[in-house]
Amino acid sequence: KQEVTQIPAALSVPEGENLVLNCSFTDSAIYNLQWFRQDPGKGLTSLLLIQSSQREQTSGRLNASLDKSSGRSTLYIAASQPGDSATYLCAVSLYGGATNKLIFGTGTLLAVQP
Amino acid sequence: DAGVTQSPTHLIKTRGQQVTLRCSPKSGHDTVSWYQQALGQGPQFIFQYYEEEERQRGNFPDRFSGHQFPNYSSELNVNALLLGDSALYLCASSFRTSGRETQYFGPGTRLLVL
Repeated sequence: KQEVTQIPAALSVPEGENLVLNCSFTDSAIYNLQWFRQDPGKGLTSLLLIQSSQREQTSGRLNASLDKSSGRSTLYIAASQPGDSATYLCAVSLYGGATNKLIFGTGTLLAVQP
Repeated sequence: DAGVTQSPTHLIKTRGQQVTLRCSPKSGHDTVSWYQQALGQGPQFIFQYYEEEERQRGNFPDRFSGHQFPNYSSELNVNALLLGDSALYLCASSFRTSGRETQYFGPGTRLLVL
């Protein structure tokens, strides 16, 4: 059974700091991995999608890496801003079948202090 | 271009009642997935609809049922509500069921069962 774990559960950093969020998964047979952002009481916004054949994806100040063999992914946020404060969720899509069911971690709650 | 929309935004019900939640997918998308997110947890997959059929189901009881209409919109029905059904219900849409596609999430429906 695929399990997704995110560490740390919560993180508080001063504005301008670079930070790394971690995600691990137990079954390496994934189709892809996505990082999402969720603001309080809101839906999910997709940040980055990494296919299983890729090692990393970049979008602006965000960089996500994927190491399937070790079952790990990291989300790097450069020069953090107060507007980055949110919960960050990673999710894996399992290989095979005609579905793109996502299995989520429990998230990392990020607070960027001005 | 409207994204994924859900209605209602909030709902309060009592134990034993039935509820229907609605979702309209992003334009051009034909696949709808439903997720339940309890407070402080990551979303849990309920089921996915494609071509008006349930394609895959998560670990949820038969009290949870759904439907997809010819215009690709979808409903989630929950019968005999329990206190534990209180959660944010998220709808996600994508094109086909390919794991290559980013899923787009709606803002969610917050259900409170008293």
